[in-house]
Formats: sequence, C-alpha cells, structure tokens
Amino acid sequence: AQSVTQLDSQVPVFEEAPVELRCNYSSSVSVYLFWYVQYPNQGLQLLLKYLSGSTLVKSINGFEAEFNKSQTSFHLRKPSVHISDTAEYFCAVTRRGNEKLTFGTGTRLTIIP
Amino acid sequence: DTAVSQTPKYLVTQMGNDKSIKCEQNLGHDTMYWYKQDSKKFLKIMFSYNNKELIINETVPNRFSPKSPDKAHLNLHINSLELGDSAVYFCASRGLSAIYFGEGSWLTVV
Repeated sequence: AQSVTQLDSQVPVFEEAPVELRCNYSSSVSVYLFWYVQYPNQGLQLLLKYLSGSTLVKSINGFEAEFNKSQTSFHLRKPSVHISDTAEYFCAVTRRGNEKLTFGTGTRLTIIP
Repeated sequence: DTAVSQTPKYLVTQMGNDKSIKCEQNLGHDTMYWYKQDSKKFLKIMFSYNNKELIINETVPNRFSPKSPDKAHLNLHINSLELGDSAVYFCASRGLSAIYFGEGSWLTVV
C-alpha cells in the first residue's frame, strides 16, 4: 500500500520569505510523485511532478521539489513567496502501473503581508 | 477549452433527493476518476473507470452510482442524499504522466 504524510497542516510565512512544505511517502516499489495546488474555492491544479530522471523538478511559478529516495521525501520549496501563493498544497503518490493517486492531508500556506 | 469539465459547480439540495454530477474530458484519455474532498480538505478516491469499465470502487455506499456512456464522460449519480454527502466532488482524467482534475462540484445537503 502507498501513503503520503504531510506533517504541517498550516504554514504561515511572511511575504518574500522562503518556504518549505514537507511531504514523505511510503511505498515498497517505485513511485511517481506530485504536488497539486488548490486556490480558495477552486479546483486542483497540477503544480509539478516527478516521474524519473533528475530528482529536482521545477514549476513555472518558482516552486521546486526534490525527490529523495533514501529519505522517501518530496519536499516543496520556494525561495520567495508572494501573496498569490496562498493556497492549499497537496502532495500525492502513485505506484508505477497503479491507477490510484493517493493524497496527503494537505498543507495550508498562508502568506503574511 | 477546459480539459476536464464538470457540472454543476454548486449544488444545494435537500436530504433524500437524488442528484447527478456530469463530467467530460476532451483530452482523449482512457481513464477517469471521481474523488471526494471532505470538510477537512481530505481527498479520497471513489471510483475509477478505464474505457467505460469500472476498475476501482473504494468502498463507496451503493447510493453512489457512476456511469460512463463513453470514455470521455463519467457521471456520478447519488440517490437518497444524506447530510454526510456534503463535500466537493472532483472528476479527473489520467494522462501518460499525470492526473488532471476538474474544477470541482460543491454539493451541500440540507
């Protein structure tokens, strides 16, 4: 079975400060990892994904995540946050060949002006 | 142009009613899903269909019945609605490298 743990339910950060949202996964086989973002009262948008290859993946709006197999982690980082980054962020995992995407419980990122 | 579209976006209904949520994807994908997001924002898979065939049913009450008339559509029908069914329901579609979600349908049962 696969599972995802997002240790922080809420993360308040001052504007222009760096942020890290933590994600750890559990799976006995190779995985695909994802970060999704949900802005207030909106749907889920794919932020970035790790399938294979380079362990550092980046999004177009400045977020990046690094796959760390030894630590079974896929933490999301941004060097300088903006008010518009206020949202709920979900880490998700699926196993290769598996149709099911399993989500973490989400982290609410709040940007303080 | 929306890749995964679902309707209605908002739905308020009384207990005991029957309601449907429709979903369509124009991505040409074979696999579609329904996920439920509860009041604590937790997302859980309900159903998955591949080319009109049910492949995942995650212990969902029989009151929930998905229907896939073709691989581009996956509708969700809910009978005898209960207060606990209030949630956001997301339709999704699976591509080669990611799963893409619709905008969600906010269901409130009163």
